[in-house]
Amino acid sequence: DARVTQTPRHKVTEMGQEVTMRCQPILGHNTVFWYRQTMMQGLELLAYFRNRAPLDDSGMPKDRFSAEMPDATLATLKIQPSEPRDSAVYFCASGLVSLSGETQYFGPGTRLLVL
Amino acid sequence: AQTVTQSQPEMSVQEAETVTLSCTYDTSESNYYLFWYKQPPSRQMILVIRQEAYKQQNATENRFSVNFQKAAKSFSLKISDSQLGDTAMYFCAFMKHDSWGKLQFGAGTQVVVTP
Repeated sequence: DARVTQTPRHKVTEMGQEVTMRCQPILGHNTVFWYRQTMMQGLELLAYFRNRAPLDDSGMPKDRFSAEMPDATLATLKIQPSEPRDSAVYFCASGLVSLSGETQYFGPGTRLLVL
Repeated sequence: AQTVTQSQPEMSVQEAETVTLSCTYDTSESNYYLFWYKQPPSRQMILVIRQEAYKQQNATENRFSVNFQKAAKSFSLKISDSQLGDTAMYFCAFMKHDSWGKLQFGAGTQVVVTP
């Protein structure tokens, strides 16, 4: 049963610390998405990659957030330095996307709390 | 820009009954995809059902079915024979045909199934 995995599942850190979240997409999927979910803003798309190349990261605060795909089996989202307003659930999703569209499958999320 | 509106913040339904969730969207596109995702208390985002705009037939997935009205830009979800496990937040989402999988989500509707 193929699924997207994310680590860690929970993270509590202090303001100013670096946070790295990891995602393993479903094998064979060519697109990876990072979302953030908060009560106030709902689900927001932060960034996404196709074939490991960034397609759009306009939803991401550039000064402190960075997203990469070092290889096809790993995507990372890094926050440095973290702030309390970054507290949220961060989801990774993957899909086999083409111009005809496709379906995204979500990981379980990383719940981040910045104190 | 597309917007997705879910006008019902919360709905309650008794076990075995039927509940219908509304979703409207605003777009000038003619070719697109619509989705319903379910998010139970575990926070996992689970795909419920998908509809291609070019298909007139409404999608069905077991107890879940949609009423897709393209002219009205409406995409409602019907849950039949509701079960306790259907208790979750339900998100409607829109994807443009040529957006490489970029989803836009509504604010969500909390469904509570009571015994």
